Amino acid sequence: QMQLQESGPGLVKPSETLSLACTVSGGSINTYYWGWIRQPPGRGLEWIGYIYYTGSANYSPSLKSRVTISVDTSKNQFFLKLSSVTAADTAIYYCARYNYDVLSGWWFDPWGQGTLVTVSS
Amino acid sequence: DIQMTQSPSSLSASVGDRVTITCRASQSIGTYLNWYQQKPGKAPKLLIYGTSSLQSGVPSRFSGTGSGTDFTLSISSLQPEDLATYYCQWSDSSFTFGPGTKVDL
Repeated sequence: QMQLQESGPGLVKPSETLSLACTVSGGSINTYYWGWIRQPPGRGLEWIGYIYYTGSANYSPSLKSRVTISVDTSKNQFFLKLSSVTAADTAIYYCARYNYDVLSGWWFDPWGQGTLVTVSS
Repeated sequence: DIQMTQSPSSLSASVGDRVTITCRASQSIGTYLNWYQQKPGKAPKLLIYGTSSLQSGVPSRFSGTGSGTDFTLSISSLQPEDLATYYCQWSDSSFTFGPGTKVDL
């Protein structure tokens, strides 16, 4: 079965760029959409954005000016970059496969286990 | 933007109880509504998509109904492993999540 695993630094300094990777195993990245969701500690879930394996991406309007999602099909990986981070960007970051059909809309499954990124000097 | 609300924010129930969680959208979203379960320290897990389609492997005690602006997640007979927070999600455009309902046993 398909599995996703996030990786990247757990600590980022304010004003710097947060960079994470998600490695997909048990299947090819060359179908479906792939994306990111975050959850500040003790709080709810926030959608960040998604990318198709072709490179076409869509971002949350609230983060669009700071977010870039990219994909490397040769490595079965996709990536998140979030620039000019502040303490408000401290969160658990999850990657997930985005599924779609016209009757049901979109749904996120499976998810990675998540990685905590803390923004602090 | 469409806003999602959930009620109650938390509930306590006993093993075997029927539990119902309500999700309301600020405007009609048809049947584009998902439910996720998140256990402490774990990633969210998809339970139901498209309002009522049960994800493969999810126990049949979970069910979803609704359309338009009002939706419900029901657990027919609560089990100890159902201790979790449950989130609804608008499954289009901004993918807005509800604030969550914490279920205690």
